[in-house]
Amino acid sequence: AQKVTQAQTEISVVEKEDVTLDCVYETRDTTYYLFWYKQPPSGELVFLIRRNSFDEQNEISGRYSWNFQKSTSSFNFTITASQVVDSAVYFCALWNYGQNFVFGPGTRLSVLP
Amino acid sequence: GAGVSQTPSNKVTEKGKYVELRCDPISGHTALYWYRQSLGQGPEFLIYFQGTGAADDSGLPNDRFFAVRPEGSVSTLKIQRTERGDSAVYLCASSPQTSGGSTGELFFGEGSRLTVL
Repeated sequence: AQKVTQAQTEISVVEKEDVTLDCVYETRDTTYYLFWYKQPPSGELVFLIRRNSFDEQNEISGRYSWNFQKSTSSFNFTITASQVVDSAVYFCALWNYGQNFVFGPGTRLSVLP
Repeated sequence: GAGVSQTPSNKVTEKGKYVELRCDPISGHTALYWYRQSLGQGPEFLIYFQGTGAADDSGLPNDRFFAVRPEGSVSTLKIQRTERGDSAVYLCASSPQTSGGSTGELFFGEGSRLTVL
């Protein structure tokens, strides 16, 4: 069975601080995809980043970066120089072809001015 | 429109009534997913369509829930004899994924908020 765990329920930071959101996943598949989605107060889930299981190279995209560690089944997400508009609930998700997306319980991030 | 469209955006009904929620996916997207999200929780999988057929309906909580996608585009989630515990936001998402194709990104609608009194 596939499972995604996000141990941090809520995080509060002050604007301009860096913040890392943790994600741990479980799967028996050797090929899979990992995602981060953002859900702002408006409610619509917005795609942020995607990583496939056979590429562990970590990347940076603007203020977003991610750290994929297959050995520990972790896919952590970092926002650099956080802004108030980053306040939202962030979901980590796991998917493979022919299967449904499995979402974690989410981490609520509050960025204070 | 360009995105996933869900109607109604809000539905208030009484316990025991029948409800239909509609999802119009992005044109050309073969995969369509229904999720349910309760307050403070992550999306909970209900059912997934690949074309017209339900590829996985293991998330439907019981036989009061049913979904169709007769022409491989618009989908309707049907809930019979609604109960107060059915109150949630019902999310629809579509994806261009095929068996060997894309990498599965989901595009979500804004959801249909169902309140059962």
